[in-house]
Amino acid sequence: DAMVIQNPRYQVTQFGKPVTLSCSQTLNHNVMYWYQQKSSQAPKLLFHYYDKDFNNEADTPDNFQSRRPNTSFCFLDIRSPGLGDAAMYLCATSYGTGVDTEAFFGQGTRLTVV
Amino acid sequence: AQKVTQAQTEISVVEKEDVTLDCVYETRDTTYYLFWYKQPPSGELVFLIRRNSFDEQNEISGRYSWNFQKSTSSFNFTITASQVVDSAVYFCALSEMGRGAQKLVFGQGTRLTINP
Repeated sequence: DAMVIQNPRYQVTQFGKPVTLSCSQTLNHNVMYWYQQKSSQAPKLLFHYYDKDFNNEADTPDNFQSRRPNTSFCFLDIRSPGLGDAAMYLCATSYGTGVDTEAFFGQGTRLTVV
Repeated sequence: AQKVTQAQTEISVVEKEDVTLDCVYETRDTTYYLFWYKQPPSGELVFLIRRNSFDEQNEISGRYSWNFQKSTSSFNFTITASQVVDSAVYFCALSEMGRGAQKLVFGQGTRLTINP
């Protein structure tokens, strides 16, 4: 059974129209991450939540926001998607803060901007 | 700065051949972890292995084996007797401590194609 679930798997949005991607987990992990993976590139961390504490990466554009209403759910909001935001968005979870922590990834949402 | 380099962008072999995926990393930390993840066409990243900086023992798991050499900052991954189901993009990653949680720095990935 899937432990990190991302919906939808594929999302098409219009240029400039706000879009929300969702992630849920059944692992009860305290950390949730959002990664952006552009075509043929490595995943890049956008931000993460440690419990309710939001941690933004320094180079994450302001256009990207996130919400975590409870332990199980986390949302990625793109306020005004541009063509350059087309990518696979991967949600991941982990338990604990150790450098050895294993992250569990969802199947990703592939975002297309038209 | 932390950096992971996977010099091989794409590899294509015939089924049953052995194949090695290279990974070289840079870090100033004395304690760190290295990971390999597999990304099949379905998209999710599947955890394969974790290795800490103090453990240079090679590891074997079925057809998979990993060779960690601190002296050359390498953490290479070998698939023995490859199968078509091994076709995927493989990422090597280095773990560093972010603000309160782990941050994975990924290499660019190696796309492995196993041909029947």
